[in-house]
Amino acid sequence: AQTVTQSQPEMSVQEAETVTLSCTYDTSESDYYLFWYKQPPSRQMILVIRQEAYKQQNATENRFSVNFQKAAKSFSLKISDSQLGDAAMYFCAYRSAWHDMRFGAGTRLTVKP
Amino acid sequence: EAQVTQNPRYLITVTGKKLTVTCSQNMNHEYMSWYRQDPGLGLRQIYYSMNVEVTDKGDVPEGYKVSRKEKRNFPLILESPSPNQTSLYFCASTRIASAGASDTEAFFGQGTRLTVV
Repeated sequence: AQTVTQSQPEMSVQEAETVTLSCTYDTSESDYYLFWYKQPPSRQMILVIRQEAYKQQNATENRFSVNFQKAAKSFSLKISDSQLGDAAMYFCAYRSAWHDMRFGAGTRLTVKP
Repeated sequence: EAQVTQNPRYLITVTGKKLTVTCSQNMNHEYMSWYRQDPGLGLRQIYYSMNVEVTDKGDVPEGYKVSRKEKRNFPLILESPSPNQTSLYFCASTRIASAGASDTEAFFGQGTRLTVV
């Protein structure tokens, strides 16, 4: 079964600085999708960014970008120019072609003013 | 507005008293699933459904039931809740993309905080 590992339970960043959240996964499949979800105190799950495994180009969404290393099975999230509103729990997620979804344990990000 | 609606958002119940958490989506998605979120464990899948009348177990199905009689609804049933089912529950739906089409994200409900005493 696929597994997703987030090795950083907590991270902290100064406002306006850059932070990188780590994620590794284990799979034998070649066709899959990777996501980062943000969960603020409201508990809502908000999609931050997604990456299709067949695409070599790293996905970017404004201040959010990923470093997708398929061979290493690594999928890190970089947040640039961190803002107070970025403070949340971040989940890395893997989804197979069959829509079976696996989540990491989460990384709680604190943004210091 | 495209959305997944869960009810209730908060529920406190006693051990053994049957309960149902409802989930409804208005996007005509084929795939729906239930997750529970616990500290240090992330979200774990309880049950999922590929379409009407098609359901299957996820990673942690014990103590739960589901049904999919209509495409839009996917209720989660706890026949005899126990304290170890105290958790935050999420329903999610996804469109099953046709071959060659871009895949789509999972849309989540607002979450249901369940406490079993």
